[in-house]
Amino acid sequence: SQQGEEDPQALSIQEGENATMNCSYKTSINNLQWYRQNSGRGLVHLILIRSNEREKHSGRLRVTLDTSKKSSSLLITASRAADTASYFCATVFYGNNRLAFGKGNQVVVIP
Amino acid sequence: GAVVSQHPSRVICKSGTSVKIECRSLDFQATTMFWYRQFPKQSLMLMATSNEGSKATYEQGVEKDKFLINHASLTLSTLTVTSAHPEDSSFYICSALLSGRWETQYFGPGTRLLVL
Repeated sequence: SQQGEEDPQALSIQEGENATMNCSYKTSINNLQWYRQNSGRGLVHLILIRSNEREKHSGRLRVTLDTSKKSSSLLITASRAADTASYFCATVFYGNNRLAFGKGNQVVVIP
Repeated sequence: GAVVSQHPSRVICKSGTSVKIECRSLDFQATTMFWYRQFPKQSLMLMATSNEGSKATYEQGVEKDKFLINHASLTLSTLTVTSAHPEDSSFYICSALLSGRWETQYFGPGTRLLVL
């Protein structure tokens, strides 16, 4: 069943602006991961945040995790045209290594 | 490192034929690989977990006789779509787990299947 579920959104922003997208899930997780997918391509792993972590940074990416609300957010700061892609969150439950993907967010960064 | 390839990248076939898709881990060994299907503008749906040397574990609703998975070596898993029909047209993506590291899956570039 789908666990990582973000509101399927289409964000259109100007280059240089920040982009924020959210993800919610239903059951306890071991970790939550964010991936990027360019049109017609495979997935690129962006960042992993464990259930005992609250915030993580990687370059222009900032991920937060709120286990009490079962939600996560991905912030891309100072967006670039090359950030145009679909972004998916995926959750991993305790005891297995399978990923449950959310619906995805389409982000378009206008130069 | 941790590169996963898929072949072919796209395939067009007639209804009723079978299509084989290969997933290879190029620079690492992968005891576990996963197969996903993605319809246009939708998310990835896990089809099955492929373990080297054993039978694949299929997700609920996925026909194991329709989607044959073979994981004969630590670097290769194949997905065969048997008697393909237009509704099987989709984007098929594999991923691989680095042996001994279970948290991060490395994804292949995907295979676009179009069944006429």
